[in-house]
Amino acid sequence: EDQVTQSPEALRLQEGESSSLNCSYTVSGLRGLFWYRQDPGKGPEFLFTLYSAGEEKEKERLKATLTKKESFLHITAPKPEDSATYLCAVRTTGNQFYFGTGTSLTVIP
Amino acid sequence: EAGVVQSPRYKIIEKKQPVAFWCNPISGHNTLYWYRQNLGQGPELLIRYENEEAVDDSQLPKDRFSAERLKGVDSTLKIQPAELGDSAVYLCASSPSAGVDTQYFGPGTRLTVL
Repeated sequence: EDQVTQSPEALRLQEGESSSLNCSYTVSGLRGLFWYRQDPGKGPEFLFTLYSAGEEKEKERLKATLTKKESFLHITAPKPEDSATYLCAVRTTGNQFYFGTGTSLTVIP
Repeated sequence: EAGVVQSPRYKIIEKKQPVAFWCNPISGHNTLYWYRQNLGQGPELLIRYENEEAVDDSQLPKDRFSAERLKGVDSTLKIQPAELGDSAVYLCASSPSAGVDTQYFGPGTRLTVL
C-alpha cells in the first residue's frame, strides 16, 4: 500500500537552532517527491521537487534531500517567519498523489 | 500573475443541504486538481482534470460528490446532500500541464456542516 509518513508531528525550535524534518515513503514507483509549506488559513505553497536518490535542492535556509526510502527537509538557522506546517507529497509512476500529514514547525524568537 | 482563485472562502450549511465550490485556475494551466483537507491532515486528492476531462476521479465519493470543468477552465465541485463528515477545507490546485509536477494551490474553501 502506498504511504507517506512525516515525523515529527510537531517541532519547536529556538531561533537559530538547526534541525531536520523527515518524510518516509512507501510507493510502488516514485515519479517525484515534493515539499510544500502551508501557513494557517492558506493553501500549500510549493517549495521543492526531487526526482532521484541523491538529489538535493536548496532555497534560503531550507535544503531538501532524497534517498530511496525517505526525504529530509533541513532547516538551517531558522527564523520565526519559518514557522508553518511543512507537507511532503509524492507522485507515483501511476500518477497517484499522496500527501503526508505534515510537520508543524514553531520557531521561537 | 494572478493565482488560483476559489470561492467562497467560507461556507456554513445544515446537513442534507447542497453546496458548491468554484475554482478558477491560473491562466493557461490545463491540469486542475480538487483536494479535501481535514483538520490536522494532509490534502487528499478527490479528482484531477486534464483540460475538460476527468482523468482520475477514483477517490471522489460519487454518491454525493460531483465535479465539472466546462470548457477546460473554471471548475465546480458540488456536494449533495452534505453530511457532517464533509466538514473540511476544499482546495483547488492547478499546473501548466500533465507533465509538470508543480502544483499551485488556491486558498481553499472551509466548509462547516452543522
